[in-house]
Amino acid sequence: EVHLVQSGADVKEPGESLKISCYASGYSFPTYWIGWVRQRPGKGLEWMGFIYPNDSDTRYSPSFQGQVTISADKSMNTAYLQWRSLRASDTAMYYCARRKRDDNYIDIWGKGTAVTVSS
Amino acid sequence: SHELTQPPSVSVSPGQTARITCSGDALSRQYGYWYQQKPGQAPVAVIYKDTERPSGIPARFSGSSSGSTLTLIISEVQAEDEADYYCQSPDSTATYRVFGGGTKLTVL
Repeated sequence: EVHLVQSGADVKEPGESLKISCYASGYSFPTYWIGWVRQRPGKGLEWMGFIYPNDSDTRYSPSFQGQVTISADKSMNTAYLQWRSLRASDTAMYYCARRKRDDNYIDIWGKGTAVTVSS
Repeated sequence: SHELTQPPSVSVSPGQTARITCSGDALSRQYGYWYQQKPGQAPVAVIYKDTERPSGIPARFSGSSSGSTLTLIISEVQAEDEADYYCQSPDSTATYRVFGGGTKLTVL
């Protein structure tokens, strides 16, 4: 069975760095696009970016380009989302998501990682 | 920039048909997708490539596309369909994707 298991909730102060993870199991990790979707409290979904682990081709939304880094480790079957310097506005739930081949919709979602940035 | 516009809310009585629209220039050239999200849960795809239904999604969910407008149609709406619905599509060059702002479906 296919699963995406995300790292646990985190609380950080503004200016701190953070890297959250998403471990994939039950399928060929390198050959599916995997990425991240943000949802701020009480707000809608925001597509951040996806990566193709086999060749590290990464596509960012213009809204998130330069603000975060998406990466993947094929040997660990794990995708990552990283910030160098967090802001209060980064407080949100972050979902890891897999895109289904050919049909191109997100068919598998992680349960989400809650990130709180507060002083 | 690529944007998708949805109505903030739609209300319908049980058994009636709900229609949720999504408009955006890129929709005339790219497929659209629909996701359902219930409180406290991750989203679930209900329509892909404008009109296709993933396995396990009830047949009362359907989709249509005309020009730059995508429509999600929920026939014979049930109480359990009350949720937020988001459209999504790639930008015109399929470089990245965008979600619409979401529509809250209320079953009266």
